[in-house]
Amino acid sequence: DQQVKQNSPSLSVQEGRISILNCDYTNSMFDYFLWYKKYPAEGPTFLISISSIKDKNEDGRFTVFLNKSAKHLSLHIVPSQPGDSAVYFCAASVSNYKLTFGKGTLLTVNP
Amino acid sequence: GAVVSQHPSWVICKSGTSVKIECRSLDFQATTMFWYRQFPKQSLMLMATSNEGSKATYEQGVEKDKFLINHASLTLSTLTVTSAHPEDSSFYICSAPRMENTEAFFGQGTRLTVV
Repeated sequence: DQQVKQNSPSLSVQEGRISILNCDYTNSMFDYFLWYKKYPAEGPTFLISISSIKDKNEDGRFTVFLNKSAKHLSLHIVPSQPGDSAVYFCAASVSNYKLTFGKGTLLTVNP
Repeated sequence: GAVVSQHPSWVICKSGTSVKIECRSLDFQATTMFWYRQFPKQSLMLMATSNEGSKATYEQGVEKDKFLINHASLTLSTLTVTSAHPEDSSFYICSAPRMENTEAFFGQGTRLTVV
């Protein structure tokens, strides 16, 4: 049973536009959510996180939104840049920093 | 710069041999480290939690006798894949949180190929 789901395996956007990556979860005990960016043959790089007590967190071009009632979070990248092209993983934890990951979404930003 | 260093970044070994992968926290002490593996086009799956000074905690379905974990110091955890077989070929990644309930930093990963 997959507790963290990223239903879109890939997403393609034009440079300068907004990229929206979605993530759904089933475990209502999750209280901390993170987004990681990953290039092939490298470890994930932390991007942004959000605690369950918030519904939005912003860091530069990256904003994460959390809708607890829908058990849904999203990552917005504005404006998208070609260097943002990578696989993005959504992850969740239950206050013990043991992360459960989604399968990832491959983002391609076209110049 | 990297705060968690993993070595080697890739290794090819013969079936039946053992391979050791190291994970180091560079500028902080990590009482807990995590080991993940990732198959192609799949998510990162947690294998085990490495605890400094005590036994590792393995996730369901992970053979503790096959994947030996040692966390002998506050900056080093090792994963040894014993008697490796081709089905053990995968991408292994370690991570360590700098503090409790903060984002975990990941190593660069190790691509293991067993031939």
